[in-house]
Amino acid sequence: GQQVQQSPASLVLQEGENAELQCNFSSTATQLQWFYQSPGGSLVSLLSNPSGTKHTGRLTSTTVTKERRSSLHISSSQTTDSGTYLCALITGNTGKLIFGLGTTLQVQP
Amino acid sequence: EAAVTQSPRNKVAVTGGKVTLSCNQTNNHNNMYWYRQDTGHGLRLIHYSYGAGSTEKGDIPDGYKASRPSQENFSLILELATPSQTSVYFCASGEGQGGNTLYFGAGTRLSVL
Repeated sequence: GQQVQQSPASLVLQEGENAELQCNFSSTATQLQWFYQSPGGSLVSLLSNPSGTKHTGRLTSTTVTKERRSSLHISSSQTTDSGTYLCALITGNTGKLIFGLGTTLQVQP
Repeated sequence: EAAVTQSPRNKVAVTGGKVTLSCNQTNNHNNMYWYRQDTGHGLRLIHYSYGAGSTEKGDIPDGYKASRPSQENFSLILELATPSQTSVYFCASGEGQGGNTLYFGAGTRLSVL
């Protein structure tokens, strides 16, 4: 089965609302990363967060390693936040990333 | 800022033809990766490399070969392209070890007719 599961699959918000994205994984992660992919575009790393809570700008990620879950909170969403958010984990020391299917976020004005 | 450049950006190939996708990174990263992205499957790892001369099989290597002639360059080769290989291909690089951040190229959209 899928080693990395993300929910919800899609999310529609009004500008200014907050978003909460979830990632659950079945393997022990040595690293967990959140990526943003613009529509039809490439991937950009947002946060690396193997455990605990990390902040950058309007983004907060909380990873509870024992429970094999991570969340990404986007505060005060903007239309430019629209796109797909991907969770990926690294197991072991190979540096190989295993991706979830993503959450597609649409922020309406 | 890490730079990963893929070429071509778009490619149309015929079934049975040979296709080479190229990737160049200018950050002296040890590790490089080739992924394909398909609706319903997400990103899946095809081949990866730990450095010049090294290639390793990823999760879906069948029908693909890889070549890492130098630290900067990593190619993905489809010797006999099939329509099932129509996809968007992404190259990425990273420093290596368990905690490395990956930097992705812009992607190559391949259509095999």
